[in-house]
Amino acid sequence: DAKTTQPNSMESNEEEPVHLPCNHSTISGTDYIHWYRQLPSQGPEYVIHGLTSNVNNRMASLAIAEDRKSSTLILHRATLRDAAVYYCILKGAQKLVFGQGTRLTINP
Amino acid sequence: DAEITQSPRHKITETGRQVTLACHQTWNHNNMFWYRQDLGHGLRLIHYSYGVQDTNKGEVSDGYSVSRSNTEDLPLTLESAASSQTSVYFCASRPGQGGSDEQFFGPGTRLTVL
Repeated sequence: DAKTTQPNSMESNEEEPVHLPCNHSTISGTDYIHWYRQLPSQGPEYVIHGLTSNVNNRMASLAIAEDRKSSTLILHRATLRDAAVYYCILKGAQKLVFGQGTRLTINP
Repeated sequence: DAEITQSPRHKITETGRQVTLACHQTWNHNNMFWYRQDLGHGLRLIHYSYGVQDTNKGEVSDGYSVSRSNTEDLPLTLESAASSQTSVYFCASRPGQGGSDEQFFGPGTRLTVL
């Protein structure tokens, strides 16, 4: 499975945008880019996914580089409830393989 | 509403005992997965199943087994519990095998092996 690289932690302020980066230089042409997040004491939850084009949903936006070797999850206006560990995962085969993720802290 | 549930939510057991963790989903998903998560770490895949009677080993399968007799359930059995198996266990399901499919996770079972 192709690997992803994310910063261990990031910090932002409430009501400000947050950009969470992910590098995946060994991505293959059929790999989808998935983002999940895990709030404290809960199971992971799906955030967004994309293949080549940028994607938007009610939770976030996903910006994918033209060469697909990196992507950025964008939370447009962070709230305290967005404090979580965010996982960037490449999914081509059936299994989701989790890395360490980025722990996002939101300051009030 | 469809959901995925795990039971028990908390379990304390002793070394050497057999333990079974239940996972039940009502989405009729073919694909089901078991992960473990240790403090400060990401999730690691234990076993997974792509359908009834199908089971596969993940990256940390030693000491664990699963069986899939119907679509809704994938119980995880620890044959002889060890202290190293103290962890939080998450079950997940997904409708298909496509790269775009969303995966749904249960609330987790916290297992302590004394």
